[in-house]
Amino acid sequence: AQRVTQPEKLLSVFKGAPVELKCNYSYSGSPELFWYVQYSRQRLQLLLRHISRESIKGFTADLNKGETSFHLKKPFAQEEDSAMYYCALSEDSGGYNKLIFGAGTRLAVHP
Amino acid sequence: GAGVSQSPRYKVTKRGQDVALRCDPISGHVSLYWYRQALGQGPEFLTYFNYEAQQDKSGLPNDRFSAERPEGSISTLTIQRTEQRDSAMYRCASSLGLLQYFGPGTRLTVT
Repeated sequence: AQRVTQPEKLLSVFKGAPVELKCNYSYSGSPELFWYVQYSRQRLQLLLRHISRESIKGFTADLNKGETSFHLKKPFAQEEDSAMYYCALSEDSGGYNKLIFGAGTRLAVHP
Repeated sequence: GAGVSQSPRYKVTKRGQDVALRCDPISGHVSLYWYRQALGQGPEFLTYFNYEAQQDKSGLPNDRFSAERPEGSISTLTIQRTEQRDSAMYRCASSLGLLQYFGPGTRLTVT
């Protein structure tokens, strides 16, 4: 079955420290993976997708098919990065794409 | 332009009552998805519309849940005879392609 696992419910770091939010997936096909973020009192929004291989707000994520992982990384965390982060897998259902989400990791960046 | 909107933002209802949750997608977006998010979990797929056609309702938990999108724009998710276990955040998303844009969600509390 398709599944996304985020093993950490909470990640607490100090400003300027490196951050890695873990995401592992199981999917029988070729996965499309995303990171979504929800800042306090805001809606869920796309942070980045693996296929674009871009860096958004200093975050990057590399798809590792051998380890079935898509970890989110940032070298120097900022207080404004504090939010809830969800890893998601897009399941191709033939013309549309259901998103399968992990349970989320709360990132708390302390001054 | 305006993003996805949902109403009401908060709904408190008594067990046994019916509720209707509304989603107004981004103008021109063909695809519309409903997700449900329980506390401490990631969003879970409920149903998908392509224009007015409900093409996938595999995620609806039981027959108390139904959804419609009669004119291919606004969608309504209806829960009949609500139960406490229905308490959750209900999220709507719309898309033109792969990327889904989420609304602010409706927080439903069944007392």
